[in-house]
Amino acid sequence: DAGVTQSPTHLIKTRGQHVTLRCSPISGHKSVSWYQQVLGQGPQFIFQYYEKEERGRGNFPDRFSARQFPNYSSELNVNALLLGDSALYLCASSEEAGDSYEQYFGPGTRLTVT
Amino acid sequence: GEDVEQSLFLSVREGDSSVINCTYTDSSSTYLYWYKQEPGAGLQLLTYIFSNMDMKQDQRLTVLLNKKDKHLSLRIADTQTGDSAIYFCAESKADRGSTLGRLYFGRGTQLTVWP
Repeated sequence: DAGVTQSPTHLIKTRGQHVTLRCSPISGHKSVSWYQQVLGQGPQFIFQYYEKEERGRGNFPDRFSARQFPNYSSELNVNALLLGDSALYLCASSEEAGDSYEQYFGPGTRLTVT
Repeated sequence: GEDVEQSLFLSVREGDSSVINCTYTDSSSTYLYWYKQEPGAGLQLLTYIFSNMDMKQDQRLTVLLNKKDKHLSLRIADTQTGDSAIYFCAESKADRGSTLGRLYFGRGTQLTVWP
């Protein structure tokens, strides 16, 4: 079975631009979460989506948005990019949204903002 | 609280046991996880333990949980050079009033295994 897939793997953008990152969960998983991992730090929670609805949001500005599609795949959008948005963006999928379900991570998208 | 703390570095010789420690602050956490991250890669789920358990063993991995002290450890037996990676401790808890489960991660422990 395929694991969590993310695209693209790498991306270089300039300040002020917009970026869209994509994630496909494990087949049968209905929940997708997004995390940001800055170099040298642990991942920080951005969003969780379940059944196409936002179920939670971390401490990130409104420049960050996401959505989930009927096939449970998800997009993370970041507007007005800042240098500090450079990070590895990780998508995780789980069967359901509750805290008792393991989250499996994809390989990430490395975003560099110049 | 949301702070998960880990020591940043650990070096061991191949064949020895490695013990990676973690402390967390929220006693309401339900599940505690260990993830492994190799250079340039995503996170690989290694193992997890439910908060009402004291120990879990899975092949070379042993997880010990001391809930009173909010201390979690991961022991890797017969450590190999392929075990060299960053190991993250994470706690999962539902936000108050919701069923959302989010993970709170430590900064990770860089394990280096010398041949």
